Amino acid sequence: GESVGLHLPTLSVQEGDNSIINCAYSNSASDYFIWYKQESGKGPQFIIDIRSNMDKRQGQRVTVLLNKTVKHLSLQIAATQPGDSAVYFCAEGGVAGNTPLVFGKGTRLSVIA
Amino acid sequence: EPEVTQTPSHQVTQMGQEVILRCVPISNHLYFYWYRQILGQKVEFLVSFYNNEISEKSEIFDDQFSVERPDGSNFTLKIRSTKLEDSAMYFCASSVRDRGSPLHFGNGTRLTVT
Repeated sequence: GESVGLHLPTLSVQEGDNSIINCAYSNSASDYFIWYKQESGKGPQFIIDIRSNMDKRQGQRVTVLLNKTVKHLSLQIAATQPGDSAVYFCAEGGVAGNTPLVFGKGTRLSVIA
Repeated sequence: EPEVTQTPSHQVTQMGQEVILRCVPISNHLYFYWYRQILGQKVEFLVSFYNNEISEKSEIFDDQFSVERPDGSNFTLKIRSTKLEDSAMYFCASSVRDRGSPLHFGNGTRLTVT
């Protein structure tokens, strides 16, 4: 039978290229967003976050872009390295109120050396 | 860097048995969470905990589940009578604030119910 949820969107990039991972979030009331990286056998690892009063935030080799109009979030990774290979999840939540952090489906990034 | 630690890394149990999953959150964090991830699927919220009581829980967190902070460092998830569908990775997380700050996750406990 079909294995629901096992077919993650995948992205393959050459080492050294830039990667862009996209996420559509569901709740227009969400005002806090996080990107997590999950390597095999490990828990989600915090990468970068952004609040809804910003549309861009940069970290070390990573940039998060937020488009609230279309409820879209992206993660850009510059000069992708083999160690960046993992599943990437976006998560949405609220700065206030009783909304727990909700994870998206995940994208598997494979870096080709 | 401080981290969330979880034990055991893998727990195998028979259907109907009780299991306790253990977590030591980051020491200066005040908010604690359990999430689970069925193989290959999304990370799903189970419960949040603050000031010795449950803040929120999802539909998954039914009467078979309970959480406890028995002392100043441990945070536990108990499943009273395990079912086959409880097989998953269970992640503990902690955060400094309830909202607007990232959750820091442990490496999980893989629960296998046979």
